Amino acid sequence: GQQLNQSPQSMFIQEGEDVSMNCTSSSIFNTWLWYKQDPGEGPVLLIALYKAGELTSNGRLTAQFGITRKDSFLNISASIPSDVGIYFCAGPYDNAGNNRKLIWGLGTSLAVNP
Amino acid sequence: DAGVIQSPRHEVTEMGQEVTLRCKPISGHNSLFWYRQTMMRGLELLIYFNNNVPIDDSGMPEDRFSAKMPNASFSTLKIQPSEPRDSAVYFCASSSVNQPQHFGDGTRLSIL
Repeated sequence: GQQLNQSPQSMFIQEGEDVSMNCTSSSIFNTWLWYKQDPGEGPVLLIALYKAGELTSNGRLTAQFGITRKDSFLNISASIPSDVGIYFCAGPYDNAGNNRKLIWGLGTSLAVNP
Repeated sequence: DAGVIQSPRHEVTEMGQEVTLRCKPISGHNSLFWYRQTMMRGLELLIYFNNNVPIDDSGMPEDRFSAKMPNASFSTLKIQPSEPRDSAVYFCASSSVNQPQHFGDGTRLSIL
């Protein structure tokens, strides 16, 4: 079955630094989703990507759908303490129109030093 | 607007007891998902419903786990009998057609 690999597994940065993380799949995706999970809460959708090459921003966050359709990147500019959390990528289990069932990366844990 | 509501937020019980987790999806969403999250395995989809009908339960670990959705505004996940290895955070999520999933805040389950 399809697998998602997220890297890095964890990051510890200084406030104000930019952050970059990525996700790769073993097969082609037609959708990429990026979620953030704060401690004690459920994942919250940050950005959804639906087209190869698409570049989408949400405030200080920018995500890109890779041209090969097998990868995606999430960048955070000028990090702040509230960016702390776990960032997950997710994609459809299959590309046969079933966008309901997702597979998930294991997450990138981000810590920000004020 | 109210998000996905899960109860209880925390549950501690002894091995062998029955556990029931509850979920109220976002009004108007027609798909509901139950996930389990652990450090070792991350987020795992257990089962999902579409229009109250179970579509895929291939992620349900074993017969001790069961899920129901009697109507569009309520679902339960039941574990009977519970075992220590069932300890995890259980999330419910809902979505409308071809839209991303929205998650509740989870139930942290500890089986002693």
